[in-house]
Amino acid sequence: DQQVKQNSPSLSVQEGRISILNCDYTNSMFDYFLWYKKYPAEGPTFLISISSIKDKNEDGRFTVFLNKSAKHLSLHIVPSQPGDSAVYFCAASQNTGKLIFGQGTTLQVKP
Amino acid sequence: KAGVTQTPRYLIKTRGQQVTLSCSPISGHRSVSWYQQTPGQGLQFLFEYFSETQRNKGNFPGRFSGRQFSNSRSEMNVSTLELGDSALYLCASSSPGLAIDTQYFGPGTRLTVL
Repeated sequence: DQQVKQNSPSLSVQEGRISILNCDYTNSMFDYFLWYKKYPAEGPTFLISISSIKDKNEDGRFTVFLNKSAKHLSLHIVPSQPGDSAVYFCAASQNTGKLIFGQGTTLQVKP
Repeated sequence: KAGVTQTPRYLIKTRGQQVTLSCSPISGHRSVSWYQQTPGQGLQFLFEYFSETQRNKGNFPGRFSGRQFSNSRSEMNVSTLELGDSALYLCASSSPGLAIDTQYFGPGTRLTVL
């Protein structure tokens, strides 16, 4: 039973354009949602998070949107840069020290 | 602040052996969580320790165990290794009580079981 799903295994965008990564969840008890970026053989790097009481959070080029009724969140990267090429994971938490991760989306930003 | 550190970074063992992995959290963080990453299963939660107590446990067999020390450093042990235990083992630390319990990850230990 996969509680957090990233249905797009990969995404390719042109440098300077917007990248939109999507994530769906099934457990309405999740309180917090986080996005991580990961390179091979390294640990995930925290990017941005959002509490379930909000519907948007921005940090520089990164914006996360949360639609609770649809149980859907998305990460927008504007403008996309070649250095953004990595695997992106969304994760959900009930603030119990346990993160439930999606399967990841590989983003490729082409120069 | 120094980040989360994990030792060793790489490890090769044979089936049936046991292994201990170590994790030092960010200074001031009292919660340490462990995850296993494999190509087929993705990132899966193993367990979480806070103030030397296991607060949460994932769906892994009893061969996987851990502990936390009074300085918040944590160790994870896997006994009777199986080929399927080959994975990247990640630990993450956090400071519960903040608005969002953000976990910060170490670089991982790559375990290969032959």
